[in-house]
Amino acid sequence: GESVGLHLPTLSVQEGDNSIINCAYSNSASDYFIWYKQESGKGPQFIIDIRSNMDKRQGQRVTVLLNKTVKHLSLQIAATQPGDSAVYFCAENGNAGNNRKLIWGLGTSLAVNP
Amino acid sequence: EPEVTQTPSHQVTQMGQEVILRCVPISNHLYFYWYRQILGQKVEFLVSFYNNEISEKSEIFDDQFSVERPDGSNFTLKIRSTKLEDSAMYFCASSGSSWGEITGNTIYFGEGSWLTVV
Repeated sequence: GESVGLHLPTLSVQEGDNSIINCAYSNSASDYFIWYKQESGKGPQFIIDIRSNMDKRQGQRVTVLLNKTVKHLSLQIAATQPGDSAVYFCAENGNAGNNRKLIWGLGTSLAVNP
Repeated sequence: EPEVTQTPSHQVTQMGQEVILRCVPISNHLYFYWYRQILGQKVEFLVSFYNNEISEKSEIFDDQFSVERPDGSNFTLKIRSTKLEDSAMYFCASSGSSWGEITGNTIYFGEGSWLTVV
């Protein structure tokens, strides 16, 4: 059959607002999670990562929250800027025990309105 | 900031032809990866490479694919006989170790090589 592109979830926010991007991961054995940002036509850019022995980690303007009970990961971006507009991917390491084989999520498109 | 560089940025090839995608990982990194992203779809793992051998590969990485580190700087992905479904963006990545930024070794991705098979 014909291959159909996936329709990305889209989040639209006003400049200056906080953004929360959510991700449900699939493998309860995953112990490493990572968020990437991908701008149009560019490669994935590392944002932040977290191990399963943590439930929160903060970076510059970004926070990742991990809820292992419900297998949920979120990325919070404070004071969202137009330059934050991109597709955001979460990835997990499955049961690999390392980060050599990341399993990527669908991606969420973030649109920041000026 | 250090970066992974990839060439070509875009290649069009005829079905059945061999293609080599080239990557220069970050110089002090030890692990190298190829991922691909078919237009509009998820990023998919292909292969990881360490100490001159494949350490992990996915089901996608069949006998038509091979990787090589021919010298101290380049890391290549070869597709022996391209098929239409190989059309995708191919990303090279590298990291210092098998653990990510938490231990100071982030996985860095290149800008990608867009392969179109016609």
